[in-house]
Amino acid sequence: EDQVTQSPEALRLQEGESSSLNCSYTVSGLRGLFWYRQDPGKGPEFLFTLYSAGEEKEKERLKATLTKKESFLHITAPKPEDSATYLCAVQAILTGGGNKLTFGTGTQLKVEL
Amino acid sequence: SAVISQKPSRDICQRGTSLTIQCQVDSQVTMMFWYRQQPGQSLTLIATANQGSEATYESGFVIDKFPISRPNLTFSTLTVSNMSPEDSSIYLCSVHGQDQETQYFGPGTRLLVL
Repeated sequence: EDQVTQSPEALRLQEGESSSLNCSYTVSGLRGLFWYRQDPGKGPEFLFTLYSAGEEKEKERLKATLTKKESFLHITAPKPEDSATYLCAVQAILTGGGNKLTFGTGTQLKVEL
Repeated sequence: SAVISQKPSRDICQRGTSLTIQCQVDSQVTMMFWYRQQPGQSLTLIATANQGSEATYESGFVIDKFPISRPNLTFSTLTVSNMSPEDSSIYLCSVHGQDQETQYFGPGTRLLVL
C-alpha cells in the first residue's frame, strides 16, 4: 500500500528564516510526486510535479527536490503570505493505468513578522 | 488549468438525511475525481467518475453510500447518503490538467452532520 508521511506536522518561522519540509514516501513504482498548497477554507492549489530522483523545480521562494525515498520543499526567505498547509501526494504506476493520488497529512506552516 | 466550482460551499445537515454536491468544470474533461478530507486527516480518493460509465470506487467506499452521477463532460454530482456525524468532512472534486497527470481541485464543500 502506498504511504506518504510529512514532517514536521507544524512549523513556525520568522520572516526570512529559510527551512525545509519533508515528504517521505513508499510506493510500488513512482509515477509522480506532487506538491500542493492549501489555504484555510480553500481547495489544494497545485505547486509542482516531480517524476524522477534528482529532479528539482522552483517557483519564487519555493524549491522542490526528489530522491528515491523522499521529497523536500525548501522555502527560502519566507514571507507571511507563504503561511499555509503544504500537502505532498504520490501517484503510483499501476497496471492498466491509475490516477489515484495518495496524500500525506500536510505541514502547517506559519510565517511571522 | 480548468476553473472548477462546487455547490454548496458548505452545509449543516441532520443525521439520516442525504446531500448532493455538484461539481462544474469550465472545460470538457474525461475523468472527474471525488475526494474526502476529514478533520486532521489526509485527502482520500472516494471514486473516479467517467462520463458514460459507472464510477470506480476506492476500497472502503461504496456506491450505496456515495452515489455519483456524470451526465456530461463538464459536470458531476456526489451524494452523501444516510449521513452520520462521521461524514462531517470537506468533499473536493478534481480534474486533470492538459498534461493528463496533474490534478486540479475545486474549492470544496464543507459538510457538518449533526
